[in-house]
Amino acid sequence: TQLLEQSPQFLSIQEGENLTVYCNSSSVFSSLQWYRQEPGEGPVLLVTVVTGGEVKKLKRLTFQFGDARKDSSLHITAAQPGDTGLYLCAAHRTGANNLFFGTGTRLTVIP
Amino acid sequence: EADIYQTPRYLVIGTGKKITLECSQTMGHDKMYWYQQDPGMELHLIHYSYGVNSTEKGDLSSESTVSRIRTEHFPLTLESARPSHTSQYLCASSHLLSSGNTIYFGEGSWLTVV
Repeated sequence: TQLLEQSPQFLSIQEGENLTVYCNSSSVFSSLQWYRQEPGEGPVLLVTVVTGGEVKKLKRLTFQFGDARKDSSLHITAAQPGDTGLYLCAAHRTGANNLFFGTGTRLTVIP
Repeated sequence: EADIYQTPRYLVIGTGKKITLECSQTMGHDKMYWYQQDPGMELHLIHYSYGVNSTEKGDLSSESTVSRIRTEHFPLTLESARPSHTSQYLCASSHLLSSGNTIYFGEGSWLTVV
């Protein structure tokens, strides 16, 4: 059983469109992170959210942590080809020693 | 920018060969990790370490072994490589994990066993 489920698994959109990807779990987390990974590279941290209901913006990216701290969303406005990549959510459960990674959403933005 | 380095980046070796993937970080992080990731798939934790002389198995069983003799160095070794070991191996480090702590990843080592 996967601890963190991401949806959609694959997403292909035109440049300029908006999109939202989701990260869901039945577990409560003390913090959640979003990473972007480009082919052949390691994941790079985009944001960390800690408080239930927290919203963080990073240019055209908006991240939200669910009120119950079980889920999160990433919204991209006016997607650009440079946004193409694998988006991974990762969460830290209180008392756990490690970070659990989601299944990933592979985004392709077509020029 | 993260100061964590992996070598080699790409390696093709024959079945039965011994291989060590190197990982070094200059951030003074206590905790280090090895993840295995097949192309486009999720990351699976195979080893981690809390500090010098500490090594633990991760969530995914692996035939590889690790050592932590120095804080900055966390090499991964396969004694006898097999085609099933073909994958990307990602090294990472962090301060001892607590809420909000960031894990920094290396660029990865792509291993192909033929």
